[in-house]
Amino acid sequence: AQSVTQPDIHITVSEGASLELRCNYSYGATPYLFWYVQSPGQGLQLLLKYFSGDTLVQGIKGFEAEFKRSQSSFNLRKPSVHWSDAAEYFCALTQGGSEKLVFGKGTKLTVNP
Amino acid sequence: EAQVTQNPRYLITVTGKKLTVTCSQNMNHEYMSWYRQDPGLGLRQIYYSMNVEVTDKGDVPEGYKVSRKEKRNFPLILESPSPNQTSLYFCASSPGRMNTEAFFGQGTRLTVV
Repeated sequence: AQSVTQPDIHITVSEGASLELRCNYSYGATPYLFWYVQSPGQGLQLLLKYFSGDTLVQGIKGFEAEFKRSQSSFNLRKPSVHWSDAAEYFCALTQGGSEKLVFGKGTKLTVNP
Repeated sequence: EAQVTQNPRYLITVTGKKLTVTCSQNMNHEYMSWYRQDPGLGLRQIYYSMNVEVTDKGDVPEGYKVSRKEKRNFPLILESPSPNQTSLYFCASSPGRMNTEAFFGQGTRLTVV
């Protein structure tokens, strides 16, 4: 069965520092991959998605992610973190033919001033 | 404004007292689903609906019911809530044509005492 692993439960970075959140997936074919962000008390908002084509995808709020088939990874990056980026981040996938999202357990990001 | 609306946002109830959490979307989406979010477990799908009168179980359907009588509405019903159903619940919708973004509601925090 397909699965998503986010190895880091909690990450703390300083404002202005770079950020990389890890995501690994298990799936027989190429999945459709997503990163969602959940701010405190809010629902989930889509940051970016990968379906095919260019393996480096750009999203909202200055985020990007790179799909690496050889490593079964879809890591999220941002060159300079802002205090407003503090939130929980979820990596997710769907398999071809399905709308069902399979989520990782999330990574909570804390940003220090 | 395109949105998914859940009500109520917060609910405290007692064991065994039937309740309904409503979900409505204004985007004419075909696919709707319910997730529950628990600490350390991420989001897990409860039920989903591919279209009016078409529903199916997700990963954790026990203790829940749903209905899809109209395209825009997808209520979640707990016939006899128990404390292990204390959780944060999210409704989501998507066009249902794959390669598309899921839109999430703001969430309903349910406590069963």
